[in-house]
Amino acid sequence: KQEVTQIPAALSVPEGENLVLNCSFTDSAIYNLQWFRQDPGKGLTSLLLIQSSQREQTSGRLNASLDKSSGRSTLYIAASQPGDSATYLCAVTLSRDAGNMLTFGGGTRLMVKP
Amino acid sequence: DAGVIQSPRHEVTEMGQEVTLRCKPISGHDYLFWYRQTMMRGLELLIYFNNNVPIDDSGMPEDRFSAKMPNASFSTLKIQPSEPRDSAVYFCASSSPGLSATQYFGPGTRLTVL
Repeated sequence: KQEVTQIPAALSVPEGENLVLNCSFTDSAIYNLQWFRQDPGKGLTSLLLIQSSQREQTSGRLNASLDKSSGRSTLYIAASQPGDSATYLCAVTLSRDAGNMLTFGGGTRLMVKP
Repeated sequence: DAGVIQSPRHEVTEMGQEVTLRCKPISGHDYLFWYRQTMMRGLELLIYFNNNVPIDDSGMPEDRFSAKMPNASFSTLKIQPSEPRDSAVYFCASSSPGLSATQYFGPGTRLTVL
């Protein structure tokens, strides 16, 4: 059974810092990996999707990397802002036969202090 | 498009009562997913549909839970009878055709069973 782990569970940083969130998964036979953002009391918003054949994806100040062989992904946030405060979740889709089923990590709760 | 719509947003009920959660996916999306989020277990996939047909319900916790999708624009998740341990936030998500499609989440229904 695929297990997804995110470390740290919570992170507090001052505004302007660059930071890295980590995600690891036990079964490397993934089809793709996604990073989501969840604001308190809200649903999830997809930030980046990396196909298993890709190494990284970038969107603005966000950069996600994927090392499928080692079962790891990182989300890099440059020049963090208070508006980045939220919970960040990574999720993997297993092989093509598994359809679009996502297995989520427990999330990293990020607080960016002004 | 208005995004994924869920109702009600909050539901408080007493143990033993029937609860029905509703979801309207984004028009044109042919995948629909039901998730449950709790502090203890994180975000878990309960069931998903493709073209209104249930594909995988292995995440449904027990027979008290049932889900239907009578047409492309409506799905329900029913709990009968409800128990206090069912208290959670239930999310509906939808995605367009294709295995790399991003899932779009609704705002969730916060269920409290007393």
